Amino acid sequence: DTEVTQTPKHLVMGMTNKKSLKCEQHMGHRAMYWYKQKAKKPPELMFVYSYEKLSINESVPSRFSPECPNSSLLNLHLHALQPEDSALYLCASSQEGTGANVLTFGAGSRLTVL
Amino acid sequence: GQSLEQPSEVTAVEGAIVQINCTYQTSGFYGLSWYQQHDGGAPTFLSYNALDGLEETGRFSSFLSRSDSYGYLLLQELQMKDSASYFCAVRARTPDNYGQNFVFGPGTRLSVLP
Repeated sequence: DTEVTQTPKHLVMGMTNKKSLKCEQHMGHRAMYWYKQKAKKPPELMFVYSYEKLSINESVPSRFSPECPNSSLLNLHLHALQPEDSALYLCASSQEGTGANVLTFGAGSRLTVL
Repeated sequence: GQSLEQPSEVTAVEGAIVQINCTYQTSGFYGLSWYQQHDGGAPTFLSYNALDGLEETGRFSSFLSRSDSYGYLLLQELQMKDSASYFCAVRARTPDNYGQNFVFGPGTRLSVLP
């Protein structure tokens, strides 16, 4: 299995809703990432988990809450979002260590906040 | 922190050769990657350079000069399907030295004309 699976593909939510984005990989990768991408912009790193430990939080607002229940799963919990948070949210995974040089991305979850 | 620079747009005709440059500033550098992203799709891995020199993969080649903090992606025998955004990405050690992260450049929009 060489895929990263993200659900849902599309999500529309109001500013008072609570929702979650899910990501799953079965490639044995021990690093998992959340990126946010706005139209015509590069992916912007949000969180990195390494061996299920949060390694990086790139000053992301607390209305985004990541969770890594195990080495195959990564969640992003969303609460009280703003319309400017509308974007494509990409999950990725990679191996760890000196030989780890490839990010494998999921297809993304397109989020619209009303 | 990390910063990367790329040209915003490049236009070429089918069958031509195009070079996309990338300069970067970072600490804890491991290597430079290139990703392709078609409109509406997720980034996909093209190539990776950890050491100085040229790496060739089919019609695509990538070059790195660590001393100059510079790399490029060379696309030969351009095809219409190569029209996409191309991102360089630095793979670097995380500030806590626990893991790694990948920071993307602003992206280069390549348009291939018939």
